[in-house]
Amino acid sequence: QVQLVESGGGVVQPGRSLRLSCAASGFTFSAYAMHWVRQAPGKGLEWVAVISYDGTNKYYADSVKGRFTISRDNSKNTVDLQMNSLRAEDAAVYYCARDKARTGTYFGYWGQGTLVTVSS
Amino acid sequence: EIVLTQSPATLSLSPGERATLSCRASQSVNSYLAWYQQKPGQAPRLLIYDASNRATGIPARFSGSGSGTDFTLTISSLEPEDFAVYYCQQRSNWPPFTFGPGTKVDIK
Repeated sequence: QVQLVESGGGVVQPGRSLRLSCAASGFTFSAYAMHWVRQAPGKGLEWVAVISYDGTNKYYADSVKGRFTISRDNSKNTVDLQMNSLRAEDAAVYYCARDKARTGTYFGYWGQGTLVTVSS
Repeated sequence: EIVLTQSPATLSLSPGERATLSCRASQSVNSYLAWYQQKPGQAPRLLIYDASNRATGIPARFSGSGSGTDFTLTISSLEPEDFAVYYCQQRSNWPPFTFGPGTKVDIK
């Protein structure tokens, strides 16, 4: 069965960096686009970034563009999110999600999320 | 950016009743709309994609309809496990992928 397991969350000071990772199993990882979606405490869902099945295309929400970088390693079945210059408003549960296709469509499977807290 | 609005914000119903949730887009998204269910402390789950297609393993009591700017998620007869928050999401014009603010279905 499809499994997505996020790691790397924690408490970080404003302006610092954090790297999230998502380990995927149970499907042909290299055949699907992968996303990061976040949810601030008590709030709705916000799409953060997507990377195409082969890693050649990457897109970001305006709120994180220039600060966050998505990457993938198809040999290790992992997708990462490098988060730099973190702000208070980046605090959220970050979910890794598998697309339904090679490029962006819908979020067919989700991990359980990893919590990022930004606080001094 | 396409903005999605959902109504009502909260829907209070009893088990066995029919739930009708609405999602409206700021411009046409054709049929490129999905619905997700999220329970407290859990990740969202895909219910419906391309406006009316049920995702794998989703019960038949969930159905979606609509096209263009107006969409509906219907739960024909609420089961206890259906009380949750429901989000719509568009993939017509991205980036960004956008979500609606959610509709909470709670027990009356």
